[in-house]
Amino acid sequence: GAVVSQHPSWVICKSGTSVKIECRSLDFQATTMFWYRQFPKQSLMLMATSNEGSKATYEQGVEKDKFLINHASLTLSTLTVTSAHPEDSSFYICSARGLAGRETQYFGPGTRLLVL
Amino acid sequence: QKEVEQDPGPLSVPEGAIVSLNCTYSNSAFQYFMWYRQYSRKGPELLMYTYSSGNKEDGRFTAQVDKSSKYISLFIRDSQPSDSATYLCASGRDYGQNFVFGPGTRLSVLP
Repeated sequence: GAVVSQHPSWVICKSGTSVKIECRSLDFQATTMFWYRQFPKQSLMLMATSNEGSKATYEQGVEKDKFLINHASLTLSTLTVTSAHPEDSSFYICSARGLAGRETQYFGPGTRLLVL
Repeated sequence: QKEVEQDPGPLSVPEGAIVSLNCTYSNSAFQYFMWYRQYSRKGPELLMYTYSSGNKEDGRFTAQVDKSSKYISLFIRDSQPSDSATYLCASGRDYGQNFVFGPGTRLSVLP
């Protein structure tokens, strides 16, 4: 149980395009989803926290207009990187936290983004 | 001071050794403690989860929490090359809030 999927697993795009990453909780309802980015050999950096049906809360320094987060249902959250640039190339990981009885976070496998 | 601190390593041990991984945290309100394992280019996977103080054992893995000293440990017995990964500790206070992650310790178990 507690499976979180991400799609796509990797994506290459041209500078200036937008990229959407999906995060799904497959076997539980996720009231809260988190989006992280991770640079090589570095730890997770929290970008934003999203609760189903409400606006995401962004961490300091993360541009909300650039990283659009939508948490439309209890099993799906999306992260859209708008007008991507090479410096946005990174490993993006989501995690999901469920309803009562599932207090911890379960991570997706990550999405590797390369912006050319 | 960061809320969760962890020696980034790298830590290299021979196969079969007992591995001790440690974290400290500063927020005395933290009650949830987790260890995650992350292989290269993969998302973290939950290894152990404990609430409040005490020990928890799962196979070759034992997690310890000492709230009096704000110290979190993960022990790996009979370490295997497949245990080579980055180990992240995490702590949190309230349900529904984000957990604070340590930077991770890179472990290499040499055959």
